[in-house]
Amino acid sequence: AQSVAQPEDQVNVAEGNPLTVKCTYSVSGNPYLFWYVQYPNRGLQFLLKYITGDNLVKGSYGFEAEFNKSQTSFHLKKPSALVSDSALYFCAVRDLGALSGGYQKVTFGTGTKLQVIP
Amino acid sequence: DTAVSQTPKYLVTQMGNDKSIKCEQNLGHDTMYWYKQDSKKFLKIMFSYNNKELIINETVPNRFSPKSPDKAHLNLHINSLELGDSAVYFCASTQRTSGGIEQFFGPGTRLTVL
Repeated sequence: AQSVAQPEDQVNVAEGNPLTVKCTYSVSGNPYLFWYVQYPNRGLQFLLKYITGDNLVKGSYGFEAEFNKSQTSFHLKKPSALVSDSALYFCAVRDLGALSGGYQKVTFGTGTKLQVIP
Repeated sequence: DTAVSQTPKYLVTQMGNDKSIKCEQNLGHDTMYWYKQDSKKFLKIMFSYNNKELIINETVPNRFSPKSPDKAHLNLHINSLELGDSAVYFCASTQRTSGGIEQFFGPGTRLTVL
């Protein structure tokens, strides 16, 4: 089975400081990795994805993520945090899953709450 | 302009009742999903349909029955509601034939079973 782990339930960072939200993954083949953000009382919004190519992926709202194959990690980063970045962040992996007949199934991590302190 | 819409947004009901949640997407996508998010914010896939055909059916009680009248709609009917069904249910869609990478989520339906 393929999975992702987000080791931190919550990350606190001061406004203007760099932020990192951690994610590690486990897959049998090549990983397709994603980050989504969920603002309070809203659905999830896609931030960025890694499929292949450059290990540093840039996404929406100034976020980026670094794919590290040797460490099986895909950490989300931003150089300077904003209070408006406070939200719940989900890492996800695409799972082709034999039991699903090859159809895409995305497995989400447990989420990390980011709190940016003014 | 709404890409993925769900109705109702809030649903409060008594244990044992039957209820439905509706989902519609106007993105022209061919694949739709239902997810359940529990009180700890853990997100779990329940079902997925591709062109009205069920392709993913996770371990979900038989009381939950999805129905897709066309590829733009995926409804979720729940029979004999239980306390443990209280959660936020999200609908999502993607275009599988284009790689199906990015999923678009609806705003969610908060179900409270009393």
